[in-house]
Amino acid sequence: QVQLQESGPGLVKPSGTLSLTCGVSGDSIISSNWWGWVRQPPGKGLEWIGEIYHSGSSNYNPSLKSRVTISVDKSKNQFSLRLGSVTAADTAVYYCVRDAQGTVGFDHWGQGALVTVSS
Amino acid sequence: DIQMTQSPSSLSASVGDRVTITCRASQNINSYLSWYQQKPGKAPKFLIYGVSSLQSGVPSRFSGSGSGTNFTLTISSLQPEDLATYYCQQTYSRRTFGQGTKVEIK
Repeated sequence: QVQLQESGPGLVKPSGTLSLTCGVSGDSIISSNWWGWVRQPPGKGLEWIGEIYHSGSSNYNPSLKSRVTISVDKSKNQFSLRLGSVTAADTAVYYCVRDAQGTVGFDHWGQGALVTVSS
Repeated sequence: DIQMTQSPSSLSASVGDRVTITCRASQNINSYLSWYQQKPGKAPKFLIYGVSSLQSGVPSRFSGSGSGTNFTLTISSLQPEDLATYYCQQTYSRRTFGQGTKVEIK
């Protein structure tokens, strides 16, 4: 079955860059699905960050677009998130997701990775 | 950007009750509406897509309806395991979630 697993530092300093990688198993990163990121600050709701297709096409949340880059590594069947100039407001659980067919919805989620922004 | 507004923000109901959660889009999203269930401490689970299509394995007590800008998630007979927060999401243009509805059991 399809499985997604986030990995990366759990602590990032203010003004630094948050970097996470999502390893995909049970599906190919070059399938007809999109691959994305969602975050959830402690005690709050879900916020869509952005997503990418294996061709390199991407879409981002306008509120984060200036700080976000999502990339794909076809050789490793994984995709990554970089969020720059982080502040405490970026502290959240970050989920990687599979966006089925690019229109259906997020049918598979990683378990989530807590990233804390603190000095 | 498309905004999604859910109501109520929270509700408390008894086992066996019929529960309805509404979701309103700021513009027409046709049928590009999905629902998710998030239990405490867990990743969200994909429940419904295309307004009313149940994801595989989702109990039939869950159903979705609506079109255009107004949508509804219904739990026909609330069960203890349905304790969770429910989110709607539009997939018409980029992606946006509603703010969530927390369902508690009386």
